[in-house]
Amino acid sequence: DAKTTQPNSMESNEEEPVHLPCNHSTISGTDYIHWYRQLPSQGPEYVIHGLTSNVNNRMASLAIAEDRKSSTLILHRATLRDAAVYYCILRLGNEKLTFGTGTRLTIIP
Amino acid sequence: EPEVTQTPSHQVTQMGQEVILRCVPISNHLYFYWYRQILGQKVEFLVSFYNNEISEKSEIFDDQFSVERPDGSNFTLKIRSTKLEDSAMYFCASILRGPNTGELFFGEGSRLTVL
Repeated sequence: DAKTTQPNSMESNEEEPVHLPCNHSTISGTDYIHWYRQLPSQGPEYVIHGLTSNVNNRMASLAIAEDRKSSTLILHRATLRDAAVYYCILRLGNEKLTFGTGTRLTIIP
Repeated sequence: EPEVTQTPSHQVTQMGQEVILRCVPISNHLYFYWYRQILGQKVEFLVSFYNNEISEKSEIFDDQFSVERPDGSNFTLKIRSTKLEDSAMYFCASILRGPNTGELFFGEGSRLTVL
């Protein structure tokens, strides 16, 4: 699996946007970029995924650099419920998801 | 919203005992997975299952582990003779088609405590 690098932890104020970075300099042309999150004491939860173009859904936006060597997950208005560990994962074809250590996001009220 | 359900939510067992963890994936999904997470550690892949057979397994998934889909709805993980180090949260997951087609749905997990 291609490797991703994320900060261990980040903090953000409630009701402000959050930008979670992910570096994946060894990404291959067919790797998809997936983001999952894990709230305390829960199973992982899908957030968003993309290949080359920026993506938006009801939970978040995914901004992918033009060279695809990095991406940013954007939570437009953080709430306390968004406090979780966020995982950036590269997947090729039908390979399994391989979780790293992720970024622990703390939301400050 | 469809969901993956897992039972039991918590099981305590003695070392050496057999344990079966049960999962009901989303009804029209075709690919199934088991992951585990030891307290404070990463979520680790155990096994994937498609078309009634194992499609991939990790080094963790040794001869003590087995999976089956006995009745077309349940998906079970069996640990034949539990060890202390099997204590973990076990997550079941399912997806409709190949994993790059979208969202992998995870259950809430089964906590296994081996004494």
